Amino acid sequence: GAVVSQHPSWVICKSGTSVKIECRSLDFQATTMFWYRQFPKQSLMLMATSNEGSKATYEQGVEKDKFLINHASLTLSTLTVTSAHPEDSSFYICSARSSLSPSYGYTFGSGTRLTVV
Amino acid sequence: AQSVTQLDSQVPVFEEAPVELRCNYSSSVSVYLFWYVQYPNQGLQLLLKYLSGSTLVKGINGFEAEFNKSQTSFHLRKPSVHISDTAEYFCAVGGGADGLTFGKGTHLIIQP
Repeated sequence: GAVVSQHPSWVICKSGTSVKIECRSLDFQATTMFWYRQFPKQSLMLMATSNEGSKATYEQGVEKDKFLINHASLTLSTLTVTSAHPEDSSFYICSARSSLSPSYGYTFGSGTRLTVV
Repeated sequence: AQSVTQLDSQVPVFEEAPVELRCNYSSSVSVYLFWYVQYPNQGLQLLLKYLSGSTLVKGINGFEAEFNKSQTSFHLRKPSVHISDTAEYFCAVGGGADGLTFGKGTHLIIQP
């Protein structure tokens, strides 16, 4: 079945530094990738949608200059949290979808726990 | 616009008892409905999905859900739960080219 690999699974960084999170579709081409954020004991909130080769579409309230998304190939999307601050600490999850998938499935990565100290 | 309401934030159930987790949705377009399970510090695992066809959908781990268009519901059920079913369950709706809209989640607690 479709597999999405997300790395790293956890990261601790100092305030003011940048962190890059990778999301790879291993056995299918992901024409669309989604990035979600989940605070403790809360639901997933969609941050942005990226289509291969085009600029990401950000949800209202999400700072595009802070959360840089690159979807340069059909198998890789990256989320870079720039100048991270403690309030950016959260669980980030990516999801990939192939337009060729007959089951219209969304496959999720295993998530990245970001802690900014 | 789409929205999902999970009516119960927490559901305690005794082991081997049946359980129903409730989900209601609203959408202005044709919907695809999903249930996911999340274990602590992990990503989401798809339990089942409704795209079209039969309104009764069977998923993994003995779960099933029924799509009810008139009541705009997609409740998740399992006839007999196990300790290992303790987790957070999310109902989600999707349609078109957008990402999924999730409910707030229901924490299923299995009591021995």
